[in-house]
Amino acid sequence: DQQVKQNSPSLSVQEGRISILNCDYTNSMFDYFLWYKKYPAEGPTFLISISSIKDKNEDGRFTVFLNKSAKHLSLHIVPSQPGDSAVYFCAARPYNTNAGKSTFGDGTTLTVKP
Amino acid sequence: DTGVSQDPRHKITKRGQNVTFRCDPISEHNRLYWYRQTLGQGPEFLTYFQNEAQLEKSRLLSDRFSAERPKGSFSTLEIQRTEQGDSAMYLCASSADPGNIQYFGAGTRLSVL
Repeated sequence: DQQVKQNSPSLSVQEGRISILNCDYTNSMFDYFLWYKKYPAEGPTFLISISSIKDKNEDGRFTVFLNKSAKHLSLHIVPSQPGDSAVYFCAARPYNTNAGKSTFGDGTTLTVKP
Repeated sequence: DTGVSQDPRHKITKRGQNVTFRCDPISEHNRLYWYRQTLGQGPEFLTYFQNEAQLEKSRLLSDRFSAERPKGSFSTLEIQRTEQGDSAMYLCASSADPGNIQYFGAGTRLSVL
């Protein structure tokens, strides 16, 4: 039972356009969500997060939207740049947990074409 | 501080051999996590430490796997009697407390022949 799902394995967009990456979750206990970016031969790097008390969090070109009733979140990148080409992982966890461990989706490979 | 470092970056071994990986977390971080990632999947939680105490282990961590974090600093992950199904990227992450962001190392890629 996969609790965090990224249904699009890949996404290709033109430079300067918007990239929208989607993520769905099933566990109602999740109330803190993170996006990580991963380049080849590197570990995942934290990008942006959102807690369930918000429905939007913005950091520069990156915005995460959370629809708690639909158990859905999305990452918007505007404008997309070739350097954004990477694998993007959605992760989720209960916020008030001792562990802090995250459950990850399988990732979406974003390709931004010049 | 150069972040989380893992050693070795690559390990090729024969089935049945034992292997040990090392992780050095960011120095002020008291929490350390091990994840495993196979091709086409996201990282899966294996175990975590708060200082030197191992507080949780995933059911993915069979009895052939053991992890330690002596003195609450670096950590080692040992796999005994390796199997081909153990081939994966083993990622280590650290954080300052449970609410903070986990910082990942580049991982150790294990290939079991």
